[in-house]
Amino acid sequence: GAVVSQHPSWVICKSGTSVKIECRSLDFQATTMFWYRQFPKQSLMLMATSNEGSKATYEQGVEKDKFLINHASLTLSTLTVTSAHPEDSSFYICSASIRSQIGETQYFGPGTRLLVL
Amino acid sequence: RKEVEQDPGPFNVPEGATVAFNCTYSNSASQSFFWYRQDCRKEPKLLMSVYSSGNEDGRFTAQLNRASQYISLLIRDSKLSDSATYLCVVSPPGYSTLTFGKGTMLLVSP
Repeated sequence: GAVVSQHPSWVICKSGTSVKIECRSLDFQATTMFWYRQFPKQSLMLMATSNEGSKATYEQGVEKDKFLINHASLTLSTLTVTSAHPEDSSFYICSASIRSQIGETQYFGPGTRLLVL
Repeated sequence: RKEVEQDPGPFNVPEGATVAFNCTYSNSASQSFFWYRQDCRKEPKLLMSVYSSGNEDGRFTAQLNRASQYISLLIRDSKLSDSATYLCVVSPPGYSTLTFGKGTMLLVSP
């Protein structure tokens, strides 16, 4: 099946640091990539939708200047958490979608755990 | 009303038991439906898509009732390895975004 990788798998950083997370589709070109965030015991919440070569579409309540998304190619999207604070500590998961005859399927990366001290 | 609501769980069942998960969604125009499985501290993985006619994959059976805006997942002959959180996921028409339920945790014990 389709494989999506994320790097790094976990990050511990000091408050005020910027953190960059990479999401790659390894064996396919993704129509669209998505960034989610999941707090403990909560559901995944979509942060933004990203199409290659265009600006990301952010969900309501997600600050685009704080969560910078770059989608440079059909296989790579990056999320940068700028000036991270402890409340940004969360599980960040990306997904990449493939469009087929039966519809669109999202494949998820393994996630990145961010802990901001 | 939340967009996707699931039984809060956790469900504790012995091996071999049959367990059913329920899910309701609020957007009547939703077009695509899925069950995902998420293991502890891992990413969600697609378990199965849910079709209007209902569909079965081995021990797993998914049903969709559009009139009631209700989705179900039935697991027969539970295995220890079925222990996970099961996420009900809905997608609106024409969009590729997914809306996740909070998940229902299943714990299968020996």
